[in-house]
Amino acid sequence: GDSVTQMEGPVTLSEEAFLTINCTYTATGYPSLFWYVQYPGEGLQLLLKATKADDKGSNKGFEATYRKETTSFHLEKGSVQVSDSAVYFCALSGSNAGGTSYGKLTFGQGTILTVHP
Amino acid sequence: DTEVTQTPKHLVMGMTNKKSLKCEQHMGHRAMYWYKQKAKKPPELMFVYSYEKLSINESVPSRFSPECPNSSLLNLHLHALQPEDSALYLCASSQERGRYNEQFFGPGTRLTVL
Repeated sequence: GDSVTQMEGPVTLSEEAFLTINCTYTATGYPSLFWYVQYPGEGLQLLLKATKADDKGSNKGFEATYRKETTSFHLEKGSVQVSDSAVYFCALSGSNAGGTSYGKLTFGQGTILTVHP
Repeated sequence: DTEVTQTPKHLVMGMTNKKSLKCEQHMGHRAMYWYKQKAKKPPELMFVYSYEKLSINESVPSRFSPECPNSSLLNLHLHALQPEDSALYLCASSQERGRYNEQFFGPGTRLTVL
């Protein structure tokens, strides 16, 4: 079945540091890939997405590129802020039309990011 | 309106109570989802509705009963829950069920079962 593996956290950075959170996936077919962010006490917000190989999703300074050859979708940001402290989830959406996984989000375990001033 | 709303925000119930969670969206989405999230874990899918029909039930115990009265509304009826059912319950919606359609999440209902 489909699966997503994220780098283990927690990740602690100083403000303005460079961020990378690794994400690799295993899936049948050709999934779409997403990064979601969850701030304390809130639901999940879509951060960015990519639907085909070499697509780059970007939003609020965050970027991730869909790499089919390495089955990866690593999240990066050049300069983090205290307000970026949250839990980050990598996820894929199943592509097997007619199958039970079609459109189903499979999440990684989540990475807790803490940014200090 | 790009929002998914959920009520109540918090719910405390005893094991013999019956309660319901409500989710609403006005984005014209035709797929709606219930997830359960335990602390420090990713959301786990419970149910998927597509065009108001139940299309996925992830082997959820019958004490959880979903209902989709119309395309904007999704309910989760709760009965005879156990303390281990305490969690954050998230609702989500997407344009349609399919790999291209990102899901929009509500803020969740934090449920405590005593």
